Amino acid sequence: QKEVEQNSGPLSVPEGAIASLNCTYSDRGSQSFFWYRQYSGKSPELIMFIYSNGDKEDGRFTAQLNKASQYVSLLIRDSQPSDSATYLCAVKTGANNLFFGTGTRLTVIP
Amino acid sequence: NAGVTQTPKFRILKIGQSMTLQCTQDMNHNYMYWYRQDPGMGLKLIYYSVGAGITDKGEVPNGYNVSRSTTEDFPLRLELAAPSQTSVYFCASNRGSRNTEAFFGQGTRLTVV
Repeated sequence: QKEVEQNSGPLSVPEGAIASLNCTYSDRGSQSFFWYRQYSGKSPELIMFIYSNGDKEDGRFTAQLNKASQYVSLLIRDSQPSDSATYLCAVKTGANNLFFGTGTRLTVIP
Repeated sequence: NAGVTQTPKFRILKIGQSMTLQCTQDMNHNYMYWYRQDPGMGLKLIYYSVGAGITDKGEVPNGYNVSRSTTEDFPLRLELAAPSQTSVYFCASNRGSRNTEAFFGQGTRLTVV
């Protein structure tokens, strides 16, 4: 069983603050890690992926990976109301299958 | 740019009925997946395929069947619908290398009554 755990949420932050989303995974053979955003009633859309230890930045988003701790996180700087959504952590295994966490619902308060 | 197309978008089934959820992609991706998403939950992998003629079970395959006769199409079959299969179903495809994202269809909202 491939387990992906996310902080339960929901998470509320004021506009302009940093939102921090966390994810742990159980399969040490996992190769790459994805953050998807899902608006209510819509399909998931990719924010970013990471496969090397360390930080990866893309605009207001930073993904952090620590394979030794089996931990991946997403930071959203200068949070905007349009960032309000459910954020899904996904882990790709050696078999190229993508396993998802249960998601963290983020609300950015204007 | 069609990407991944799912039909239908909505469906209501009676217990015991059968149906096929259609999924087609035009990106020539080898890997295709079916997920279900229950309210407030993440996505659970039902079945996946690594290419035409090759399918395998995911985390929650019971009550479902799939086939992959072409690269483009990956239909999901429910033989005897049960209320527990009420969910939103997503089809996705992926090129296959570790750093490529999965592209999702718009989803099928299925209710079994």
